[in-house]
Amino acid sequence: KAGVTQTPRYLIKTRGQQVTLSCSPISGHRSVSWYQQTPGQGLQFLFEYFSETQRNKGNFPGRFSGRQFSNSRSEMNVSTLELGDSALYLCASSLDEGLGPKNIQYFGAGTRLSVL
Amino acid sequence: AQTVTQSQPEMSVQEAETVTLSCTYDTSESDYYLFWYKQPPSRQMILVIRQEAYKQQNATENRFSVNFQKAAKSFSLKISDSQLGDAAMYFCAYRRRDDKIIFGKGTRLHILP
Repeated sequence: KAGVTQTPRYLIKTRGQQVTLSCSPISGHRSVSWYQQTPGQGLQFLFEYFSETQRNKGNFPGRFSGRQFSNSRSEMNVSTLELGDSALYLCASSLDEGLGPKNIQYFGAGTRLSVL
Repeated sequence: AQTVTQSQPEMSVQEAETVTLSCTYDTSESDYYLFWYKQPPSRQMILVIRQEAYKQQNATENRFSVNFQKAAKSFSLKISDSQLGDAAMYFCAYRRRDDKIIFGKGTRLHILP
C-alpha cells in the first residue's frame, strides 16, 4: 500500500507569488491534515479535512487555504508569499476523523518551500 | 490556551542505555490525548505512542513507554535499550477531542555508539 505522497518535494518561489501543494493520502483514508514546520515556530497545525469539509483550522492568516477533493486528495494554497512562509509543509492522513484508538495519522515526507 | 513544553532541546544517550525525554503541558481540560512523535532525518513523522488522559495506565509500545502524571501535567517518554535508529527529533503533542493538535518545540536525541 502506498504511503502519503506529497508533491512537489521541493519548491522555490519569490515573495508575492502564490503556491499550491498537493497531498495524496493513503488509499482508503478520508481525513487529511496539514502542518507547517519552521525552526522558529516549530510544528504548527494548519487545517484538517474530512470528507471534503474543513473540520479544524489553526491560527494562520487567510492567505493560507486548503481544500479536499472527493477522492480525498488535498491541496493547500498560500497566496502572496512572504519570506516567513519558508518552511517544511507536512501532510498526514488517517482512516477516519477523530481520535479513535485505531485512527492513526500517517505522515508524508513533506514539501520544502523556500521563499526568496 | 493550551501549551506544550519540552525543556530539553537536545539529549544524548549511549547505545543500549535508557533515556527519558520530558514534556509538560498546560490545560484546564480533563479529556484529552497526548502523543509522542518521532521525526528522523528523512523528515517523515511517525507516531511513537499515545495516551488517553482518562486512562491511568501508562502506555507502552515495545521499548517505548510513558510516565503520565495527570495532576502534574507531565508526560515523559522513556526509551529503553536505545538503538542507533532511535536518533531523531521527538515531539510531544496534546490534543483535545475535536480540536487542533499542539506540539512542543521538540527534543533532538543523539545516540552515541
